[in-house]
Amino acid sequence: GQSLEQPSEVTAVEGAIVQINCTYQTSGFYGLSWYQQHDGGAPTFLSYNALDGLEETGRFSSFLSRSDSYGYLLLQELQMKDSASYFCAVALQGGKLIFGQGTELSVKP
Amino acid sequence: TAGITQAPTSQILAAGRSMTLRCTQDMRHNAMYWYRQDLGLGLRLIHYSNTAGTTGKGEVPDGYSVSRANTDDFPLTLASAVPSQTSVYFCASSTSGRASDTQYFGPGTRLTVL
Repeated sequence: GQSLEQPSEVTAVEGAIVQINCTYQTSGFYGLSWYQQHDGGAPTFLSYNALDGLEETGRFSSFLSRSDSYGYLLLQELQMKDSASYFCAVALQGGKLIFGQGTELSVKP
Repeated sequence: TAGITQAPTSQILAAGRSMTLRCTQDMRHNAMYWYRQDLGLGLRLIHYSNTAGTTGKGEVPDGYSVSRANTDDFPLTLASAVPSQTSVYFCASSTSGRASDTQYFGPGTRLTVL
């Protein structure tokens, strides 16, 4: 079967750096994606890692270690608008995504 | 462009009734997906389609059916609704169904089955 684990909630202050970890057990792994969801609205894509290493996109970076079945999302220079739920998702053949249960990030002033 | 739209926005349905959730995209994406999200949980894949005319089962397909008669539309049907199907339903699409493709999500349909 497929399973992913990520912390249920994280709290940080504006301007800080926060890391959201994700571990997974899966077969047929192609890559690890991250999505953001504000207040139950439409999830939006943040990043995708197929190979080991760090991918940087502005204030957000994502890391993958395939040998450790582990990845993380790093958010820098936190802003209030970053308060949201963050989901890691294993990408399988055919573009199918298996999502974790999400991490609720609260950014405090 | 509208991107991806879903209808209705919300619905209350009596148990045992049937219902079709509509999803339309105008991005000419080949792949489309249906997910459900229960309170406080992640999204679970119900059915998917990598191209018009083909469909496949996801993690939780039981009680749901889909069709893909053309590129733009991907309706999800509940033949006989049960309370456990109370959820928020998201439709998504991607360019070609590759694992690396970004999935674009619709605004969701909030369904309550009583």
